[in-house]
Formats: sequence, structure tokens, C-alpha cells
Amino acid sequence: DSGVTQTPKHLITATGQRVTLRCSPRSGDLSVYWYQQSLDQGLQFLIQYYNGEERAKGNILERFSAQQFPDLHSELNLSSLELGDSALYFCASSFRTGLYGYTFGSGTRLTVV
Amino acid sequence: DQQVKQNSPSLSVQEGRISILNCDYTNSMFDYFLWYKKYPAEGPTFLISISSIKDKNEDGRFTVFLNKSAKHLSLHIVPSQPGDSAVYFCAASDQAGTALIFGKGTTLSVSS
Repeated sequence: DSGVTQTPKHLITATGQRVTLRCSPRSGDLSVYWYQQSLDQGLQFLIQYYNGEERAKGNILERFSAQQFPDLHSELNLSSLELGDSALYFCASSFRTGLYGYTFGSGTRLTVV
Repeated sequence: DQQVKQNSPSLSVQEGRISILNCDYTNSMFDYFLWYKKYPAEGPTFLISISSIKDKNEDGRFTVFLNKSAKHLSLHIVPSQPGDSAVYFCAASDQAGTALIFGKGTTLSVSS
């Protein structure tokens, strides 16, 4: 157990629908990062939050949004889902960065049918 | 444009031999380089890192080498063990606090 909790582990939904992925960071970590891993792709950075505020955006589609709540848990909202959104979505958290890296959760596998 | 590239999708090595995983980057502003290991159905786990002011960092069986002039880093695993079989990701960031940029990963298979 890495200390980063992601729910649900698996999600199957239809095109056009909206889903919410949840992440609880490791205790004490203020930063939360969301990454997407599609087939044959590396981990694509989506968005970063630090202590409730958006810190950086990566390749996040306009149909996707996220937020970090006062208790530091984060949610990633995916709307108007398309088949191509099927992927593994990872959340990671950190207290210190640079050489210390992040702690990743085990991911949510989203399948859009 | 990929800033971090792992050009070998897979590598097969015999137990006890050396595994060398390679990574190239294009952004000369990168200061921190990290390697992660990922098993199926699990999230990536941090393995080892190196800052741009060093050219080598060692942790047990794992050593990372950085060649800044060539914008190249490598991970050496000696000796390789079957439990090392996993996907290895190279990652980099330009300063502490910015998001890590990952390569596509290399699948290492260590046979006994």
C-alpha cells in the first residue's frame, strides 16, 4: 500500500457520459498530480494541485477538469467521454519534489464503450 | 514532441547479468532525473534519482548514469533478478515542484 488511494479501481461507462475519479493523497503530502496512461503511451501529465490550488496544467482536455478539496483529496472529472478516453488514470502525491519523486496510487482503469 | 524518450520498448536479460535501460531527453533545462518501476496492476514506484550536477548515483544493485552533454541517462541493474521484471519509466523535471515528464517505458524481462 503506497498510501495514495484511488477509487474506483475499475470503471466502465458509455460514450457521452461523465465520470469522477477520486484520489486521497498520502498523509502529509500537499501536492496531487493526475496522469493518464493510454495504450502504448507513457504517463501523460494532466494537472497538478498544491494545497487546494491549481499549480500546473499539462495535456488536459477541456472536457476534463479537476479540483483539490480542503482535506487535500482530489477529484478528476471526465465528461462527454469518447472511446479514446479509455486509459489508466493515475494519481500521485508528494511533499517534497525534485529528487524525491512522487508516490503513485494503483490507478483507475477507465473503459469507455 | 517527446521531451523524454525511451527508444527500446523491451529488453530481455538472463538472471545474474547486467540490465541497461536507456533514456534520452531533449530539454537542457531538466535538473532532476528519476527512474520508476511498474508492475502490472500497480502504480509506478520510485526507484532512484539523480540531479544534473552529478553523473552517477548508486543504490544497491541500481546505478543511474547521467551524460549531460549527450542528454542521455541510463539505469544499470547488477545483478539482474527475475523480480526485476517490470516496466521501467524514465522521468525528468526542470525544477523542484514542476510536474515530472515521463518516457513511454521499457519492459524488462529477466529470465532464470
